[in-house]
Amino acid sequence: IAGITQAPTSQILAAGRRMTLRCTQDMRHNAMYWYRQDLGLGLRLIHYSNTAGTTGKGEVPDGYSVSRANTDDFPLTLASAVPSQTSVYFCASSEGATNEKLFFGSGTQLSVL
Amino acid sequence: GQSLEQPSEVTAVEGAIVQINCTYQTSGFYGLSWYQQHDGGAPTFLSYNGLDGLEEKGRFSSFLSRSDSYGYLLLQELQMKDSASYFCADNYGQNFVFGPGTRLSVLP
Repeated sequence: IAGITQAPTSQILAAGRRMTLRCTQDMRHNAMYWYRQDLGLGLRLIHYSNTAGTTGKGEVPDGYSVSRANTDDFPLTLASAVPSQTSVYFCASSEGATNEKLFFGSGTQLSVL
Repeated sequence: GQSLEQPSEVTAVEGAIVQINCTYQTSGFYGLSWYQQHDGGAPTFLSYNGLDGLEEKGRFSSFLSRSDSYGYLLLQELQMKDSASYFCADNYGQNFVFGPGTRLSVLP
């Protein structure tokens, strides 16, 4: 079944450690996104990529980095995790940057202690 | 900047009709989307309004008025499985901005 795969499903991480959340899509979508979801704050955009080779900052980019070496993969890296990065992280994709429909992965629950 | 506002909670009974409102303030606006998210799940796309007016999709309809910076999601013939959070979103430019979400509880 086509879609977006995120890994890991959940992770407990010590503060200060480096962590990469993986995201792969097989729909050949051009645009990909990383969101974090916190209770009462909805979904907030961390970084996005309109096409392979390009990335941009969203609303809450500090402490996170991304890369888009190819169409399918869009990993999110926390260089030195802090407790405020405890959240549920969703990767999403759309056919184009202005396409109205986002497809979401199943999410990664990350706890930073 | 952009911001979208929604009620935090709505409660209705099975079989009823409920309307979830969304108002937005944006420096640019492209269109209004709606997503459903069940507890522990991922958001899933419900509908999109690029133009003013009503879009109907079975039991769900969505409405947009650009002049009022306002839209809503209308759910008819409510079922227990409709209990979820509903988010409006503006796919402005290069990214999507989401509202804080409305938690809908459907009572028997």
